[in-house]
Amino acid sequence: GAGVSQSPSNKVTEKGKDVELRCDPISGHTALYWYRQSLGQGLEFLIYFQGNSAPDKSGLPSDRFSAERTGGSVSTLTIQRTQQEDSAVYLCASITEIAGGPNTQYFGPGTRLTVL
Amino acid sequence: RKEVEQDPGPFNVPEGATVAFNCTYSNSASQSFFWYRQDCRKEPKLLMSVYSSGNEDGRFTAQLNRASQYISLLIRDSKLSDSATYLCVVLLYTGRRALTFGSGTRLQVQP
Repeated sequence: GAGVSQSPSNKVTEKGKDVELRCDPISGHTALYWYRQSLGQGLEFLIYFQGNSAPDKSGLPSDRFSAERTGGSVSTLTIQRTQQEDSAVYLCASITEIAGGPNTQYFGPGTRLTVL
Repeated sequence: RKEVEQDPGPFNVPEGATVAFNCTYSNSASQSFFWYRQDCRKEPKLLMSVYSSGNEDGRFTAQLNRASQYISLLIRDSKLSDSATYLCVVLLYTGRRALTFGSGTRLQVQP
């Protein structure tokens, strides 16, 4: 079956503009995560969606960042008034959460965001 | 202190060598452990889970020492295709069950 897909694969924007990044998780996966990875750095947790529960936004670095998950499936991550330090690869991952089940997170290919 | 710490490397080894990576984690409540592999400009992919009893998958052996909060990955008979960044990953069973990633250890296998 299809894996996690993300779009666009690359996004170049000017400082101050808003951007929207999209993630299509694996069908049937109930949980979705956004991470970002700056050049040469590890992954940084941003936000977590699980079913109909309120999302865990504790990793969002500022109020310029927001995310939605519509219909329990597709998610969009929005960054308003982008800054150069927002430049990173934004990775989406999905997982099917079964009690006692596997915890493998499947990652999408990422969106490489460059803020000029 | 970082939640998950790894030596960033790079580790430059010849083909056929055995190489070991170490990782320490700070939260003793961590409950699941993994090694992910990330190729250059690609997304991370699960390499193997790490179990308390230690586990092996072909040329790869993972070990967990809960008392010392220490995880290791051993690669035997290194191949050129093993060149990648190896990420130590810890899962805390908090509400969000988010993985916490180390910064990765870069391995370069040379002919």
